Amino acid sequence: GENVEQHPSTLSVQEGDSAVIKCTYSDSASNYFPWYKQELGKRPQLIIDIRSNVGEKKDQRIAVTLNKTAKHFSLHITETQPEDSAVYFCAASIYSGYALNFGKGTSLLVTP
Amino acid sequence: GAVVSQHPSWVICKSGTSVKIECRSLDFQATTMFWYRQFPKQSLMLMATSNEGSKATYEQGVEKDKFLINHASLTLSTLTVTSAHPEDSSFYICSARDSVQETQYFGPGTRLLVL
Repeated sequence: GENVEQHPSTLSVQEGDSAVIKCTYSDSASNYFPWYKQELGKRPQLIIDIRSNVGEKKDQRIAVTLNKTAKHFSLHITETQPEDSAVYFCAASIYSGYALNFGKGTSLLVTP
Repeated sequence: GAVVSQHPSWVICKSGTSVKIECRSLDFQATTMFWYRQFPKQSLMLMATSNEGSKATYEQGVEKDKFLINHASLTLSTLTVTSAHPEDSSFYICSARDSVQETQYFGPGTRLLVL
């Protein structure tokens, strides 16, 4: 089955700096790669996703890149703000409506 | 966006009792729903895939006789934790697949504490 590795497990940045979280996956059949933000005690919120026919996608301060050959994808957050502090999960799946395989999560702390 | 609800949002029960958690898609039909479990400071782990009108598909290591899943309608799936034990204490989250939009939406989760 699919195995998703995520690094780092914790990340601390100063407000205004950039944050990068990286994930690798093992199943070449995976074609859908979402990123979720989860605040304590709440449901995961989809913040951005990318499909295998695209190499990069950007939404304001958030961007995701995908290297399908190397089987890795990354989340980039620019101009970080304290409200970006949360746990971020990457995931991989065959397609967007299928079960998700999650990475272990990255706890991001943005200090003022 | 689409709305998925879960009930209850939290539950405390005694060891040995059974607990039922409901997952509802409020504004779309969901032939497939997924049940995840999240232990404190850990990731979400898929427990099972719930299919309307047929048996659920369980992930390896998840006991189907302990975690009973019923998907009796296009908007409702239930997860029953039978004979709950303290180690079953966790955050249970469902997601429902919108087959028209080909995406899935998470419920708010149910926090279970077994004493």
